[in-house]
This record gives sequence, structure tokens and C-alpha cells, in this order.
Amino acid sequence: DTQMTQSPSALSAFVGDRVTITCRASQTITKWLAWYQLKPGKAPKLLIYEASMLKTGVPSRFSGSGYGTEFTLTISSLQPDDFATYYCQQYHNYWTFGQGTKVEI
Amino acid sequence: EVQLVQSGEALVQPGGSLRLSCEASGFTLRGYAMYWVRQAPGKGLEFVSCINGNGGTTYYGESVKGRFIISRDDSDNILFLQMGSLRSEDMAVYYCARGESLLSPFDFWGQGTLVTVSS
Repeated sequence: DTQMTQSPSALSAFVGDRVTITCRASQTITKWLAWYQLKPGKAPKLLIYEASMLKTGVPSRFSGSGYGTEFTLTISSLQPDDFATYYCQQYHNYWTFGQGTKVEI
Repeated sequence: EVQLVQSGEALVQPGGSLRLSCEASGFTLRGYAMYWVRQAPGKGLEFVSCINGNGGTTYYGESVKGRFIISRDDSDNILFLQMGSLRSEDMAVYYCARGESLLSPFDFWGQGTLVTVSS
């Protein structure tokens, strides 16, 4: 199984801050990594796929980078709507998720 | 508009069975891979099961193999998850999700169904 290790598990930030979340795979997944946003009571949203591709309609303040085993999600200027929990997911070798990062005010 | 509308909250006793549904609109299930993912209280996301576009291939997470069955009704465009021999550790919010294929991310998700397993 490919394990996904996400860090930090939680962070506190202010509106306008630059936020970076890291995800590490236990073996290479090349570019097959996605990032999702979860809010309580709402359907999860796909933000980034293939490590760096922004899904249509997702604000450009979200970006992704990385290849192989190391990946990052960056929010360039945190907005009030961005306070949520973020998960990375690999889809190279079946499907596994990171533990999540809760972004709090 | 793509929508996935899931069945409502459910309470089931340990050892019992339950069928979840996920009604799709705005696209045809036959053309896509469909997934079930769950989130137990205070935990992260866990892959549960999936079925490919032609319905010929299914996968299950280790924790549900032999107890859960994924299926779909192509005429009504509804995805199902038949859950059996339910345990307390199966208590979670269950999400259905869509992928272009079994090698794709999950581009649309349902709103989730809370399943409580308790006597």
C-alpha cells in the first residue's frame, strides 16, 4: 500500500497569509496526486489534480507542486472561505488519502 | 449540472445491513468510475469501494471486503453500496464520488450520508 503522510495536521493563520501544506508518499506516485477541500456538512471539492493542475473554477490563489514522493499545496493569500480541512490523495496505486490538515483562524 | 444526491442519515444495529444510494444527474454513470469514501468521526478519509465505467471491475478496501457490495442501476442512474455485518467501526459519513476513470481524481462528490451503528 502507498501511505500518504500529510503535515501539519492543523495550522492557525490569518486572512491574507500564505499557507503551505505538505504531503509525502511512501513510494513514488509520479504526478498522480490530488488535493481536496472539506467543510462540515458540504460535499468535498477537488482543487488540484495531477499534482499541479487547477480544476476549472477553483481560485488561482490555490496551487500545487511536486513530483514523485513530495508534494505541496499552497494558498497564496488565505481568504475567509478557505478555512477548512484539506486532504491529499494518491491515485497511482489504488487510492489513499493523507490524514488531513485543518486550517483554522 | 453534475449532481450526486445521497440517501438520508441511517441508524443500524451492530450486525445489521443497510443499503446506501447515490442518485446521479447531469451525467451517465456508465461513462464514469464511481467511488464510495468514508470519514469516521474525528478521522480522515478512507477509500471504501469503486466500480468502473462498464461495471466489470470493482475494488474494495481491506476493512470492508466480503461485507460490502457496490453496484449500480444504469436505468435509474443510481449507485448503491450494500453494507452487511455492520460494526461500530463502520460508523462514518459515507460519500459517493465520480472519477473519469479508475486512474483519475474524484471530480464531483455527494453531500454525504451519516451512518450510525449502535444498539
